[in-house]
Amino acid sequence: GDSVTQMEGPVTLSEEAFLTINCTYTATGYPSLFWYVQYPGEGLQLLLKATKADDKGSNKGFEATYRKETTSFHLEKGSVQVSDSAVYFCALEANNLFFGTGTRLTVIP
Amino acid sequence: NAGVMQNPRHLVRRRGQEARLRCSPMKGHSHVYWYRQLPEEGLKFMVYLQKENIIDESGMPKERFSAEFPKEGPSILRIQQVVRGDSAAYFCASSPKSGTGGASGANVLTFGAGSRLTVL
Repeated sequence: GDSVTQMEGPVTLSEEAFLTINCTYTATGYPSLFWYVQYPGEGLQLLLKATKADDKGSNKGFEATYRKETTSFHLEKGSVQVSDSAVYFCALEANNLFFGTGTRLTVIP
Repeated sequence: NAGVMQNPRHLVRRRGQEARLRCSPMKGHSHVYWYRQLPEEGLKFMVYLQKENIIDESGMPKERFSAEFPKEGPSILRIQQVVRGDSAAYFCASSPKSGTGGASGANVLTFGAGSRLTVL
């Protein structure tokens, strides 16, 4: 069935460090892929999305490229800030929205 | 334009009691989804509803859990005879159209801030 496997955390980085959070998926069709972010005490917010192979989603300095050959949608940011501290969820939409387990990112000054 | 409103934000129940969680979707949204987030786990889909209809309840436990989305008023997730294992954050999301998506147009869900249930 359709599923998402996400890099386990937690991840702790210093401010301005490079971030990668890995996400791979299994799907029978051609799903859309998403990254959601959950800040402390809040609900999930859409960070970025990609609807087809080779699409790149980007927002707030974050990027992820839909790679069909490696079934991946890794999240990257070149220089993280303290305000990026949150839990990041990779998600796949086929006939429903499936989430990964989430990766907690803590950025220290 | 208010977002997805969930209440209560925090609910404490003793084992055997009932828990009712409410969700008011965004204005103009007619589709509601409920997810459960257990400690240190991701979000697990529970149920997807349209007004007065359950579309997909494949993620709902067979017993004690029920959901509704009446013609008027919020969607309600009801848990009867709660047990400690029901302690979790319950998130509601809404969308203006069907959840069946895919490459033709990714359907973006708007989430509420969640209701945290603690069962003593």
